[in-house]
Amino acid sequence: GQQVMQIPQYQHVQEGEDFTTYCNSSTTLSNIQWYKQRPGGHPVFLIQLVKSGEVKKQKRLTFQFGEAKKNSSLHITATQTTDVGTYFCEDYGGSQGNLIFGKGTKLSVKP
Amino acid sequence: GAGVSQSPRYKVAKRGQDVALRCDPISGHVSLFWYQQALGQGPEFLTYFQNEAQLDKSGLPSDRFFAERPEGSVSTLKIQRTQQEDSAVYLCASSLMWDTQYFGPGTRLTVL
Repeated sequence: GQQVMQIPQYQHVQEGEDFTTYCNSSTTLSNIQWYKQRPGGHPVFLIQLVKSGEVKKQKRLTFQFGEAKKNSSLHITATQTTDVGTYFCEDYGGSQGNLIFGKGTKLSVKP
Repeated sequence: GAGVSQSPRYKVAKRGQDVALRCDPISGHVSLFWYQQALGQGPEFLTYFQNEAQLDKSGLPSDRFFAERPEGSVSTLKIQRTQQEDSAVYLCASSLMWDTQYFGPGTRLTVL
C-alpha cells in the first residue's frame, strides 16, 4: 500500500541553525497536513497544503508542496529551543482517500 | 468545550480484559477520527465518522476493535480481549468537516 516517508528520522541542530524535514510518496499525495508533536503531547496542526507547487509561510516556518504533488517539505529558519518536537506530515485524502502519517522527524535543538 | 477531550488519560489492562476509550469532540464538529500511535511512530489511522455514520473502518487492526458514535458527538473505541500489542496511545481528532484536525490528549493504554 501507499507509504509516506519522512527524512531524516532525527535531526540535532545548534540553536540558530536551519532545519528541514522532507515528506515523500511514491504515489500522488492528496493534500498535505503538517503537525508538530511535543514530547508527551499530541499532534498540533500547523498547515495544510492543497495545490501543486504551493508555498506557505508562518513566521520562521516555510512549507512547500512539490509540483508533482509527490513530496513536501518544512523548513525552519534560525531554530529556537521552542522548536523542539517531532514534525509529522500527513497525506490527508478526504472522505475518498487516505489518511496516512509519516513516521516523523524528531528535532532537538542545543542552546 | 474548548478542545477535544479524551478519557481516561491512562489505562492499564490485564491481557484479555475489555477496555472502552472515550472521545468528546469539539462541539459542532462533523468529522471524528481515531488513530493509534505506537512509541516513536506516527499516528496510524483506525476509523472515521461523519456525524453518526462510520464511513471508514479500514484501519481497525482486528475484529476485536469496535468504534461507535451513536448520536454524532461522543465516540467510544472499544477493544475486546486486549493483547500486549494493543499497547499504544489512542488519539482522537475532530474537524468541522475535512479541514484542520484538532487532536485530543490521547489515552495511553498499557496491556500487561
